[in-house]
Amino acid sequence: GEDVEQSLFLSVREGDSSVINCTYTDSSSTYLYWYKQEPGAGLQLLTYIFSNMDMKQDQRLTVLLNKKDKHLSLRIADTQTGDSAIYFCAESTGFKTIFGAGTRLFVKA
Amino acid sequence: NAGVTQTPKFRVLKTGQSMTLLCAQDMNHEYMYWYRQDPGMGLRLIHYSVGEGTTAKGEVPDGYNVSRLKKQNFLLGLESAAPSQTSVYFCASIMGGGATNTGELFFGEGSRLTVL
Repeated sequence: GEDVEQSLFLSVREGDSSVINCTYTDSSSTYLYWYKQEPGAGLQLLTYIFSNMDMKQDQRLTVLLNKKDKHLSLRIADTQTGDSAIYFCAESTGFKTIFGAGTRLFVKA
Repeated sequence: NAGVTQTPKFRVLKTGQSMTLLCAQDMNHEYMYWYRQDPGMGLRLIHYSVGEGTTAKGEVPDGYNVSRLKKQNFLLGLESAAPSQTSVYFCASIMGGGATNTGELFFGEGSRLTVL
């Protein structure tokens, strides 16, 4: 079945870059997503990439997709304390979206 | 627009009690979902609906029932609550089919349920 895996924790210093990695199993996914969850809130879409793209850049965010290795990464440049949150990788398969376990990003001032 | 609204936001139940979580969306979305979130396990799909009057099982459907009598509402029921159902429950919706639909899920703020 479909599966999405990502590491559970990442700690960086303020101003450094953060890189969160994810692997997925369903090669037929049309879109891959990064969602952000702040404490006590629901998830919000941060960015997404279409499966025929290799890279997408959106201000401080860079998404890289390696379809051969089924690997997705999210780079946050100049990480700020406000970026502290849980980041979920997800893939869309038909009617369903499958999520990874989430990576909790800690940003040290 | 309120987006996706879940009620109640918090609830404490005793084992064996029943309850219903209500999800309402005002975006005229076709698809609606119920997920549960547990530490270290991410979000797991319980049930979903691709239109009014339709429901389908997700990854972890046991112990839950759902109904979608109106397009804007998706109800999640627990008939006999168990401690293993202690979790945070999220409702989400998607616009539906179409070339311009990126499949973005819109989430409610969550309902925290504790079963003693």
